[in-house]
Amino acid sequence: DAGVTQSPTHLIKTRGQQVTLRCSPISGHKSVSWYQQVLGQGPQFIFQYYEKEERGRGNFPDRFSARQFPNYSSELNVNALLLGDSALYLCASSLVAAGKGEQYFGPGTRLTVT
Amino acid sequence: KNEVEQSPQNLTAQEGEFITINCSYSVGISALHWLQQHPGGGIVSLFMLSSGKKKHGRLIATINIQEKHSSLHITASHPRDSAVYICAVAYSGGGADGLTFGKGTHLIIQP
Repeated sequence: DAGVTQSPTHLIKTRGQQVTLRCSPISGHKSVSWYQQVLGQGPQFIFQYYEKEERGRGNFPDRFSARQFPNYSSELNVNALLLGDSALYLCASSLVAAGKGEQYFGPGTRLTVT
Repeated sequence: KNEVEQSPQNLTAQEGEFITINCSYSVGISALHWLQQHPGGGIVSLFMLSSGKKKHGRLIATINIQEKHSSLHITASHPRDSAVYICAVAYSGGGADGLTFGKGTHLIIQP
């Protein structure tokens, strides 16, 4: 079975631009969580979606938004990019709501904002 | 707010040594995860614990709920174990906030 996939792998954007990151969970998984990992730090929780509804949101500004589609894939959108948004963005899927079950991580999307 | 503290931050050991990485947290949790991250970013889930002890190959994870502490042990360490090991917890009461992560322990095993 395919694992969690994310696209694109790498991305370079300019300050002020908008970016969309994509995640496909493992087949049968209904929960998708998004995390931001700045170099040298542990990941920080951004969003959790379960059964296409937002179930949790971390301490991130409204420039960050996400959604989950009927096939349980998900997109993370970031508007008005800042240099500080440069990070590895990780998606994780699980069978049940995040925190209650084992999470499977994708390879991440490395975003560089110049 | 729950904070997750890991120690040590960095650890260099010789091949074959017994390795212990510690994780402590401050409030009630529903589960604790140990994760492994290799250079390049990919994260692999090693264990999910809510009580007691789990073993997988040379890896052992324990958790003490009363003391709010968990340890990850690696027996007969090997250079391929070199990676960042991250502890993450899920709050009690729904898990809607996802996981809260420690900063990680950077482990280097020298041959």
